[in-house]
Amino acid sequence: LAKTTQPISMDSYEGQEVNITCSHNNIATNDYITWYQQFPSQGPRFIIQGYKTKVTNEVASLFIPADRKSSTLSLPRVSLSDTAVYYCLVGFTGGGNKLTFGTGTQLKVEL
Amino acid sequence: NAGVTQTPKFQVLKTGQSMTLQCAQDMNHEYMSWYRQDPGMGLRLIHYSVGAGITDQGEVPNGYNVSRSTTEDFPLRLLSAAPSQTSVYFCASSSGAQNTGELFFGEGSRLTVL
Repeated sequence: LAKTTQPISMDSYEGQEVNITCSHNNIATNDYITWYQQFPSQGPRFIIQGYKTKVTNEVASLFIPADRKSSTLSLPRVSLSDTAVYYCLVGFTGGGNKLTFGTGTQLKVEL
Repeated sequence: NAGVTQTPKFQVLKTGQSMTLQCAQDMNHEYMSWYRQDPGMGLRLIHYSVGAGITDQGEVPNGYNVSRSTTEDFPLRLLSAAPSQTSVYFCASSSGAQNTGELFFGEGSRLTVL
């Protein structure tokens, strides 16, 4: 199982860029890296996914170095509504792979 | 398109009682799983299934049973509820064809065991 390590918490201010790094030293060849956002009393919600290099969508960017042993979620210009827990998940659903979450990073955005 | 539907949303049990948490998805996803989340904690995998008739244990399977008779449904059974099973339970599904691990979650079922 690919175990992930993230910072427990981060603080930021509105309008700043936030980068959250996840370490996954034993990532397997077939594993994808997926980031989720969770608000209180809700299920996690998909943010972005990648396999290598850089992926960008309308809400975030994901940077993955060549060795794939870490990844960085980048949230541009955060707002108060980005206050949530962010989880990095490494794995893939094919082949009976267990998808286990780490402890996540609590991001708090202030004015 | 309802996505992943969990019932009930809230349930209170007494120690020793049994119950089933229901999970249904209408996206024709092969992969389904159950997680529990305790206050201030991350999600822990209980059981998962890669298709109808196939289930396997996750990180914390003790005290729970699952079955997968259809692609759509993946019920989680608590055989004899204990206070340690007080938690929020999330069901999730994923398209096995993509094999990429993008999970779609239900809204959760909050269980209290007295």
